[in-house]
Amino acid sequence: GQNIDQPTEMTATEGAIVQINCTYQTSGFNGLFWYQQHAGEAPTFLSYNVLDGLEEKGRFSSFLSRSKGYSYLLLKELQMKDSASYLCAVNLSDTGRRALTFGSGTRLQVQP
Amino acid sequence: DAGITQSPRHKVTETGTPVTLRCHQTENHRYMYWYRQDPGHGLRLIHYSYGVKDTDKGEVSDGYSVSRSKTEDFLLTLESATSSQTSVYFCAISNRDRLDSYEQYFGPGTRLTVT
Repeated sequence: GQNIDQPTEMTATEGAIVQINCTYQTSGFNGLFWYQQHAGEAPTFLSYNVLDGLEEKGRFSSFLSRSKGYSYLLLKELQMKDSASYLCAVNLSDTGRRALTFGSGTRLQVQP
Repeated sequence: DAGITQSPRHKVTETGTPVTLRCHQTENHRYMYWYRQDPGHGLRLIHYSYGVKDTDKGEVSDGYSVSRSKTEDFLLTLESATSSQTSVYFCAISNRDRLDSYEQYFGPGTRLTVT
């Protein structure tokens, strides 16, 4: 199948660093996305990785290892507004569909 | 922000009635998608379109049909709504003509309740 696994919930403290992991099947892999979704709102794009390594964008970074079927999203200097769900999504060319497959999301709670 | 709107934003309907949700874009993107989002399941693809009159099924297409007669509009129809179709429905668009990215932009969502 196209299982994409990520933790259901995480809690972290304001100002700290948190890492959200995502694992996926490697067959047909053609790119990985991270989205942020605040409660009651639409998902918004955070990052895209297609090659191995780290992509940094301000306080957010995303890492990919294609051979391990593994990615993580790193959030630094956490702010209260970072409380949201974080969705990992993979483009799998062997599904025969030109669309993304999403994980169930990780709900992050940032505490003071 | 990408120009995507969805209508209606909220709807309550009775079991067995037909329902049509509309997604409208002003970006002239070729690809459009319909997802549903339920607790514990994340976003699941219902149908997608890769051009006018070109559509294909996603992983949860049973009970849904779609139509795309114009680039800017993608309609999702529930022919006979059931309680299991109570969900939040998101439309998304992407410009897959760019080879380096399949980034999708999402509409604001439609909350549908079937009683």
